[in-house]
Amino acid sequence: QKEVEQDPGPLSVPEGAIVSLNCTYSNSAFQYFMWYRQYSRKGPELLMYTYSSGNKEDGRFTAQVDKSSKYISLFIRDSQPSDSATYLCAMKETSYDKVIFGPGTSLSVIP
Amino acid sequence: DTGVSQDPRHKITKRGQNVTFRCDPISEHNRLYWYRQTLGQGPEFLTYFQNEAQLEKSRLLSDRFSAERPKGSFSTLEIQRTEQGDSAMYLCASSQPGLAEQETQYFGPGTRLLVL
Repeated sequence: QKEVEQDPGPLSVPEGAIVSLNCTYSNSAFQYFMWYRQYSRKGPELLMYTYSSGNKEDGRFTAQVDKSSKYISLFIRDSQPSDSATYLCAMKETSYDKVIFGPGTSLSVIP
Repeated sequence: DTGVSQDPRHKITKRGQNVTFRCDPISEHNRLYWYRQTLGQGPEFLTYFQNEAQLEKSRLLSDRFSAERPKGSFSTLEIQRTEQGDSAMYLCASSQPGLAEQETQYFGPGTRLLVL
């Protein structure tokens, strides 16, 4: 079993839809949780950064962490074609630790 | 542009050749990380520096791989005797220690390596 699991998709939704992306993990020592967006042939770009359990909202993006279930989610409201990318969940044990990534979910938002 | 930069962006080489990649982190960042990403996978950690000290190396980093950060600024990653399995995107990231909740790794655009 990999440390971080993520449905690879591809996920295709119409413009304006609400998108839900999810990851599960096995290492209970993870405390810092992130979502990165990666466009084709580019480096990952940080979208959301959360410490421990709870929700965090930033514009159209909401990140949720449930440490008791070892489950994290990213919601995208009013999805746009420019949101089409691969979304990588990521986590680490300490603030300065290496980041462990999920395999990524490919998202296409159709106009 | 004050982000992380990597050079070259693309490299094609023949099996058995040596290659070297360079990463220039964000100027005030003292931590620098190397990751490798293959198609359809997330980045995998290779090694990390704090200033010039290499503090951790993954078991993925075989003896053919060496990384340096001689002056605590830019870093190089060298692969000797390349193999086709080395074909991947090599990503560099940097971060600056601060409040625990705020330390974030910022990624460069990557160097895409193809070994023929």
